[in-house]
Amino acid sequence: DGGITQSPKYLFRKEGQNVTLSCEQNLNHDAMYWYRQDPGQGLRLIYYSQIVNDFQKGDIAEGYSVSREKKESFPLTVTSAQKNPTAFYLCASSPRPVGGSPLHFGNGTRLTVT
Amino acid sequence: DQQVKQNSPSLSVQEGRISILNCDYTNSMFDYFLWYKKYPAEGPTFLISISSIKDKNEDGRFTVFLNKSAKHLSLHIVPSQPGDSAVYFCAASEDSGGSNYKLTFGKGTLLTVNP
Repeated sequence: DGGITQSPKYLFRKEGQNVTLSCEQNLNHDAMYWYRQDPGQGLRLIYYSQIVNDFQKGDIAEGYSVSREKKESFPLTVTSAQKNPTAFYLCASSPRPVGGSPLHFGNGTRLTVT
Repeated sequence: DQQVKQNSPSLSVQEGRISILNCDYTNSMFDYFLWYKKYPAEGPTFLISISSIKDKNEDGRFTVFLNKSAKHLSLHIVPSQPGDSAVYFCAASEDSGGSNYKLTFGKGTLLTVNP
């Protein structure tokens, strides 16, 4: 079945460490996204990529980095510069710009930093 | 500056009755709107969408209404079922015919359907 795989489901890290969240899709979608969900905050866009080797900052990119070396993969690194990294992280993809098609989401990674 | 607002954090309805979830937006450039449903610890799943050239879109038990002059949209679920209990997110984007890849979400409304 086609879909988006995020791993791991739960991740624990010590403060000051960088951590990379995995996102893989087999939907052959060009665009991929990273969102963050906090309680009562809804979903906020961190980074997005329209095509391989290209990505743009979203609304809350500070303290995060991404790469898009392959169409199927869009890993997110949460760096030690991110002040409040504990959150639920969601990866998504779409075949076209959002006006033409909805986003498909993975099941998320819950990151806890202590 | 919240461009998509869902002012009701929660809503409770009886099974079989209508559920109405509301969403307001401030950005007049938004022209494509979507509703997503989300269960705890899972990713959101797409429910229904509407472009600004329409004022209504229907898919089974789900209907979305758009009032552009009021910058307001609503999701109607009829009849409501216990399995509909979830958080519902309203989302919007600009330039549906162009190359915009950004989607702006509201904070969500928790719907509880009581048996």
